[in-house]
Amino acid sequence: DIQMTQSPSSLSASVGDRVTVTCQASQDIRDYLNWYQQKAGTAPKLLIYDASNLEAGVPSRFSGSGSGTAFSFTIDSLQPEDIATYYCQQYADLPITFGQGTRLVIK
Amino acid sequence: EVRLLESGGDLVQPGGSLRLSCTASRFTFSIYAMNWVRQAPGKGLEWVSTISGSGLATYYADSVKGRFTISRDNSKNTLFLQMDSLRAEDTAVYFCAKGGQLLSYFDSWGQGTLVTVSS
Repeated sequence: DIQMTQSPSSLSASVGDRVTVTCQASQDIRDYLNWYQQKAGTAPKLLIYDASNLEAGVPSRFSGSGSGTAFSFTIDSLQPEDIATYYCQQYADLPITFGQGTRLVIK
Repeated sequence: EVRLLESGGDLVQPGGSLRLSCTASRFTFSIYAMNWVRQAPGKGLEWVSTISGSGLATYYADSVKGRFTISRDNSKNTLFLQMDSLRAEDTAVYFCAKGGQLLSYFDSWGQGTLVTVSS
């Protein structure tokens, strides 16, 4: 199975900060990498697909980059409504696997 | 806007069975792959199973292979997950999710249904 390792596991930042989460794949997954946001008590929401493509309707302060084994997810100018847990997910090979999640809190 | 509504979650004893349903609306159900993803209490996301739009191709996580069966009724816009030989470790919220392409990203999710396996 392809292991997805997110870092950090939790993150505290201030409104307006630039926040970056990284995701490392245990083997080359090309750009078959997606990012999700999950707010407490709700279903996940797709933010970024294929490493860098912004899902329709998602604010442009969210972005993703990377290929191969190293990926990053960035929020420019953190907003209070961005409090959530963020997950990466690979689909280069079965089983589809997720990172363990990064919990983002506001300072 | 896509709508997905899961149902069927319940408390069941170990070794028991349960059938989850997911009713879809506001998109052409039959042309999209559909998926089940679960989340154990306080834990992360785990992919469970995927079915192609036609229903002819199915895929499973090793943890459920041989015990769970995914299916769909395109005439009723409904996705199913038959869960047999349930174990305590199957306790989770089960989400159905619409696929962008087969085995790729999950672009719309239901609100989830809770399955609790306990004696």
